[in-house]
Amino acid sequence: DAGVIQSPRHEVTEMGQEVTLRCKPISGHNSLFWYRQTMMRGLELLIYFNNNVPIDDSGMPEDRFSAKMPNASFSTLKIQPSEPRDSAVYFCASSWGTDTQYFGPGTRLTVL
Amino acid sequence: GQQVMQIPQYQHVQEGEDFTTYCNSSTTLSNIQWYKQRPGGHPVFLIQLVKSGEVKKQKRLTFQFGEAKKNSSLHITATQTTDVGTYFCAGPGTNAGKSTFGDGTTLTVKP
Repeated sequence: DAGVIQSPRHEVTEMGQEVTLRCKPISGHNSLFWYRQTMMRGLELLIYFNNNVPIDDSGMPEDRFSAKMPNASFSTLKIQPSEPRDSAVYFCASSWGTDTQYFGPGTRLTVL
Repeated sequence: GQQVMQIPQYQHVQEGEDFTTYCNSSTTLSNIQWYKQRPGGHPVFLIQLVKSGEVKKQKRLTFQFGEAKKNSSLHITATQTTDVGTYFCAGPGTNAGKSTFGDGTTLTVKP
């Protein structure tokens, strides 16, 4: 199994630009999570999906952030417009049947 | 959702010394999980504890779940430089599949 796949691994963009992060969960998993990690705030859950449906998006910082899961094998997290304070590592994780989560390698986002 | 608190936030040890991190909850947990994140890496699942008073070992790592299922600990015997990283505990959330992560304990080991 390839594990959770995220792309891109690194993204550098300028303030105001749109950023799209992508995630392919482990095949067969029915829950998908988006996290943001910074030194100041630690690991924050942004949103999670169960069976492709958003269940809890209370962690999404503001309207500039949106997430979709059009099918069981793909999800996106979009930031539009991006701001320097969005700079962080964004992790995608997936799970099935238990709370055990398998994390992807993360996308390191830098907004200049 | 349930909140889990971890202490200490940071721990610096000399190689060979032992290390312990603690996870506490104000409510009873149905289970608790532990993850390790190496510097520059991603959290990796280590173990899940389910039973009251449960103790599990993985080589030099010993995991305990309290009798009341409100606290847990991870103890590393004779730390090595390969143990550096941040150790997270995670409790179950209120919705299926969601965990609540603690803030983590970052361990540094001086050779």
